[in-house]
Amino acid sequence: GQQLNQSPQSMFIQEGEDVSMNCTSSSIFNTWLWYKQDPGEGPVLLIALYKAGELTSNGRLTAQFGITRKDSFLNISASIPSDVGIYFCAGQEASGSRLTFGEGTQLTVNP
Amino acid sequence: EAGVAQSPRYKIIEKRQSVAFWCNPISGHATLYWYQQILGQGPKLLIQFQNNGVVDDSQLPKDRFSAERLKGVDSTLKIQPAKLEDSAVYLCASSRTARGTDTQYFGPGTRLTVL
Repeated sequence: GQQLNQSPQSMFIQEGEDVSMNCTSSSIFNTWLWYKQDPGEGPVLLIALYKAGELTSNGRLTAQFGITRKDSFLNISASIPSDVGIYFCAGQEASGSRLTFGEGTQLTVNP
Repeated sequence: EAGVAQSPRYKIIEKRQSVAFWCNPISGHATLYWYQQILGQGPKLLIQFQNNGVVDDSQLPKDRFSAERLKGVDSTLKIQPAKLEDSAVYLCASSRTARGTDTQYFGPGTRLTVL
């Protein structure tokens, strides 16, 4: 089955710093998604990417769909304490097929 | 708009017991998903419904897990009998359709502990 390798596993940063995390896949994906999960809650969609090379922003978040269609990255600029949480990438091979999630990146922001 | 509702939020049972979880998706959402999220891992799809029909249950351990969505709205997921390795958060999600461009909205999950 598909495997998603997400890195880093955890990050400890100071408020105001920029953050970068990425996912690589053994399979080609048609869709890349980035989610954030807070403790005791379900994941919430942050950014969706549908085309190779696509670069999309959502406020301080920027994500890119890799040209090879096997990778994606998420950047968070000027981090704030409420950015704390677990960030997951997810890929979809074809429209309507199941999402495969990465293992998550635990982000801690020190004020 | 109300989100995806799940109950109970927490459940503790002993191994070999049975347990059931309930999900009420967002109104009008035809597609419903059950995911299993083991501590420290990303969610893994167990089963996907389109209305009241099963679209994908290839990762559902059918010897002990079952799910139904009889009227195409609410859904229940059952584990019988439970094993220690079933300890996880069970997330329900729904989307308007099964198209890849339709966002999946997740509920808060049910945290299951099997002793």
